[in-house]
Amino acid sequence: AQSVTQLGSHVSVSEGALVLLRCNYSSSVPPYLFWYVQYPNQGLQLLLKYTTGATLVKGINGFEAEFKKSETSFHLTKPSAHMSDAAEYFCAVIPPSGNTGKLIFGQGTTLQVKP
Amino acid sequence: SQTIHQWPATLVQPVGSPLSLECTVEGTSNPNLYWYRQAAGRGLQLLFYSVGIGQISSEVPQNLSASRPQDRQFILSSKKLLLSDSGFYLCAWRKAGFWNTEAFFGQGTRLTVV
Repeated sequence: AQSVTQLGSHVSVSEGALVLLRCNYSSSVPPYLFWYVQYPNQGLQLLLKYTTGATLVKGINGFEAEFKKSETSFHLTKPSAHMSDAAEYFCAVIPPSGNTGKLIFGQGTTLQVKP
Repeated sequence: SQTIHQWPATLVQPVGSPLSLECTVEGTSNPNLYWYRQAAGRGLQLLFYSVGIGQISSEVPQNLSASRPQDRQFILSSKKLLLSDSGFYLCAWRKAGFWNTEAFFGQGTRLTVV
């Protein structure tokens, strides 16, 4: 079954530092890939998505992610962290087969931004 | 534009009491609908999904059930709550027929079973 692994349940960076949140998927066929952000006690907001085409995807709030098929990865980055980036981040996939479009999530990574 | 409404925002219920959480979507027709549960440190667990009225698929055997009485209405229920049912419940919708589109989430319901 398709699965998503987010390495590191907690990541801490200083304000202005590079943000790198890791995501790997398990599938021989590339799935559709998404990153979501969740602020406390709120729903999830889409940051960016990869379906086909360019492997470097730009999203909102200065985030971007690169799809690397050879590494089965879809890591999320941001060049310079802001305090407002502190939140929980989820990587998610939709398997390319089947007719339900089930969105399968990783366990999430909590990003802490230190002043 | 499409919107998703989920209520209530918070709920405290005693063990053994019933549960009904409601989710409605506006501005689209025949959406795929989903219920997720988020427990502390456990990510998002897909509980139920629906591709049409009366069509419910369960992902995890549990104390909960779901129903879709109308095209854009999705209800999560329980006859008798357990302590382990506590968590943050999220409803989501996706555009039907487009397998590469993202899901849109409601604001969630924080359920505490006491």
